[in-house]
Amino acid sequence: KAGVTQTPRYLIKTRGQQVTLSCSPISGHRSVSWYQQTPGQGLQFLFEYFSETQRNKGNFPGRFSGRQFSNSRSEMNVSTLELGDSALYLCASSIQTGGDDNSPLHFGNGTRLTVT
Amino acid sequence: QKEVEQDPGPLSVPEGAIVSLNCTYSNSAFQYFMWYRQYSRKGPELLMYTYSSGNKEDGRFTAQVDKSSKYISLFIRDSQPSDSATYLCAMSDRGSTLGRLYFGRGTQLTVWP
Repeated sequence: KAGVTQTPRYLIKTRGQQVTLSCSPISGHRSVSWYQQTPGQGLQFLFEYFSETQRNKGNFPGRFSGRQFSNSRSEMNVSTLELGDSALYLCASSIQTGGDDNSPLHFGNGTRLTVT
Repeated sequence: QKEVEQDPGPLSVPEGAIVSLNCTYSNSAFQYFMWYRQYSRKGPELLMYTYSSGNKEDGRFTAQVDKSSKYISLFIRDSQPSDSATYLCAMSDRGSTLGRLYFGRGTQLTVWP
């Protein structure tokens, strides 16, 4: 079974631009979460989607947004990029059914975003 | 104070050593506890997943959870150079925080031959 796939692997953007990152979850997984990983802050939760609905959101500015499609694929968008947005952006999926169970997350290899 | 505290190391041990990695946390609502391993230029890989207190063993890995002390551990027996990676603890509660994990900063481990 294929794992979580993230594209592209690497991106270089300049300040003020916007960027869209893509994530394909493991087949059958309906929940997709996004995390930002930096050396200073570690892994920080961005948001989580289930059945095309955002269920949970972390403490990030409105420049960070996301969406999920009917096939569970997800995208996140960052507008008006700042130097501090340089990070590894990780997508994770889980087989959560929508109840209050807590299935483990399986991560992709991330998109390395560099803002210059 | 972060909700999850983890000593970043680095930790360097010889091949064959027993490695002990630890995290403490402050939120008593946490019930699900995980350990992830992350190699350079890769995403975190799930190693162990436990619910509530107790021990869980999988091959050379043992995870322990002590909810009364808000303390979790990962033990690696007979450590191998291939175990060299960053180890991240993660945890969550039920209900409203579905899909949201709280991570430690990670401990960088090097196992030398």
